[in-house]
Amino acid sequence: GESVGLHLPTLSVQEGDNSIINCAYSNSASDYFIWYKQESGKGPQFIIDIRSNMDKRQGQRVTVLLNKTVKHLSLQIAATQPGDSAVYFCAENWGNFGNEKLTFGTGTRLTIIP
Amino acid sequence: GAGVSQSPSNKVTEKGKDVELRCDPISGHTALYWYRQSLGQGLEFLIYFQGNSAPDKSGLPSDRFSAERTGGSVSTLTIQRTQQEDSAVYLCASSSLSSGGAYNEQFFGPGTRLTVL
Repeated sequence: GESVGLHLPTLSVQEGDNSIINCAYSNSASDYFIWYKQESGKGPQFIIDIRSNMDKRQGQRVTVLLNKTVKHLSLQIAATQPGDSAVYFCAENWGNFGNEKLTFGTGTRLTIIP
Repeated sequence: GAGVSQSPSNKVTEKGKDVELRCDPISGHTALYWYRQSLGQGLEFLIYFQGNSAPDKSGLPSDRFSAERTGGSVSTLTIQRTQQEDSAVYLCASSSLSSGGAYNEQFFGPGTRLTVL
């Protein structure tokens, strides 16, 4: 069936460096993608989203890139801080208006080394 | 304002017992979602409510799982005759209803950690 997956399960980055977390998706009908951050013992927290009619979107210190040709999504975090240490999930949605289920990847654990 | 809240935060039960998990969505949010997260895994969709109706129950793993929502607000996820494989964190999320093709962020609660012995 369709699935969302991640290339790397763990990633360690020196504080202050930039990090890139990758995600592959297989459902070509997906029209909306989201990155979530989950800290230990907490629910996922929205970071940034992107529609399928875009290939790049920037937020505060974060950038999401979407390559529909190869069905690839990435999250770039600039100037990483200790508080960025968490598990990051990509998720996809192909429902109407986005108010339907999200399909999540298995997550990448990002560790920021002080 | 208050976010999504869930109770209990932790639940330990014996195999075969029934459990009820509660979700209080953000006030005014019409959409409510239940997900399950097994240890070290991503989130697995269970069920979605729009108001009090559930247009998508496709993720419920078996007929032991059911959910209801009353008054367009609080939702309860019930697991009957729990099994050890039901052990997981159960997460609830809510979002507001939009129109015109806009997408709305799902806000997650802290989850209920269920352990079935």
